[in-house]
Amino acid sequence: ETGVTQSPTHLIKTRGQQVTLRCSSQSGHNTVSWYQQALGQGPQFIFQYYREEENGRGNFPPRFSGLQFPNYSSELNVNALELDDSALYLCASSLAGANVLTFGAGSRLTVL
Amino acid sequence: AQSVTQLGSHVSVSEGALVLLRCNYSSSVPPYLFWYVQYPNQGLQLLLKYTSAATLVKGINGFEAEFKKSETSFHLTKPSAHMRDAAEYFCAVSDRGGGGNKLTFGTGTQLKVEL
Repeated sequence: ETGVTQSPTHLIKTRGQQVTLRCSSQSGHNTVSWYQQALGQGPQFIFQYYREEENGRGNFPPRFSGLQFPNYSSELNVNALELDDSALYLCASSLAGANVLTFGAGSRLTVL
Repeated sequence: AQSVTQLGSHVSVSEGALVLLRCNYSSSVPPYLFWYVQYPNQGLQLLLKYTSAATLVKGINGFEAEFKKSETSFHLTKPSAHMRDAAEYFCAVSDRGGGGNKLTFGTGTQLKVEL
């Protein structure tokens, strides 16, 4: 079975730009969560999607938004990028009601 | 609100020595508790989880952790460290609602294993 794949692996943006990060869930998983991991910190929960709807959100502003598609893949969009948005963005998939997440390797975003 | 505190951002042990990584949690409801490992340039891999069954939980790669409610702790141990154990380790907590998919992580402990 394939795991969670994320793209791109690395990208550089400038302040004020917009970015889209993509995630393919592990086969059979129907729930996707996104986490932000700043350098030297633990991951922080951004939001979760189930049945193409946001199903829980952490303490992140509305310029962080997402989508889940019928095949359970997902996108994370960040508008009006700020320097503090520089981080590793991790996607995790799971089965609804399960308590085990499978993480991807992440997308490392640098905002200059 | 739930939280975890990992004592010691860096831990160094000799190969073959005991590994002890500390984690204390705060939760108003019975929690789910997890330990994840992160190798350089990789995502997080689940080592083990506590979900209210046995308080001593065995995980992969010889790691185990004991849930102690009286101490609100969930420390990670391994009897004998290997060089390949060098990585960053994260303790995490979730509540039982929503299937426990929203994790609150600690700040991590970097484990160094020396010859």
